[in-house]
Amino acid sequence: GAVVSQHPSWVICKSGTSVKIECRSLDFQATTMFWYRQFPKQSLMLMATSNEGSKATYEQGVEKDKFLINHASLTLSTLTVTSAHPEDSSFYICSARDGRGEYFGPGTRLTVT
Amino acid sequence: AQSVTQLDSHVSVSEGTPVLLRCNYSSSYSPSLFWYVQHPNKGLQLLLKYTSAATLVKGINGFEAEFKKSETSFHLTKPSAHMSDAAEYFCVVSPNQAGTALIFGKGTTLSVSS
Repeated sequence: GAVVSQHPSWVICKSGTSVKIECRSLDFQATTMFWYRQFPKQSLMLMATSNEGSKATYEQGVEKDKFLINHASLTLSTLTVTSAHPEDSSFYICSARDGRGEYFGPGTRLTVT
Repeated sequence: AQSVTQLDSHVSVSEGTPVLLRCNYSSSYSPSLFWYVQHPNKGLQLLLKYTSAATLVKGINGFEAEFKKSETSFHLTKPSAHMSDAAEYFCVVSPNQAGTALIFGKGTTLSVSS
């Protein structure tokens, strides 16, 4: 148990377009979901904390109007990168937490051309 | 406040030799500590976790870590490295507070040569 999926696993989009990334807890209900960003050869950087039915809490320096997070249910959170630019190219990882622990998705590679 | 420091950004070993990846933590109360591994372009895989039970924690793939409160350390070890162990390793501390995110170390790249 405790499987987290992300979709898509990789995406290429043109500059100025928007991209939506889904994070799903497949076999459990997550009280909280987290979104991270990882640049090459660097550690994970927390972007935001998301609780079902409430607004996400963004970390300092993360633009909430650019990185829209929707946590519609206890098993689904989405991250939408709006008006993407090449500097948004990165590896985005989500995690989902329940009473047993925190479980990570496989990540989504975003490339903006 | 809690923090975690991985003392080596890069460790190189030969296949069959021991592995030691060092991690120190800072916590105002009893933490939960984790080691995760990440292979290139992959997600994170949990190797092991300490949650205030036994101080010597055994994980997957032959890895283990020892929680030493007096030294505020949680070093990761493996007796004999395999080529497949080459990856990025993250030491992580949990604030153990609802809704609070994990705190990641900067990572240690493990290289294994034949």
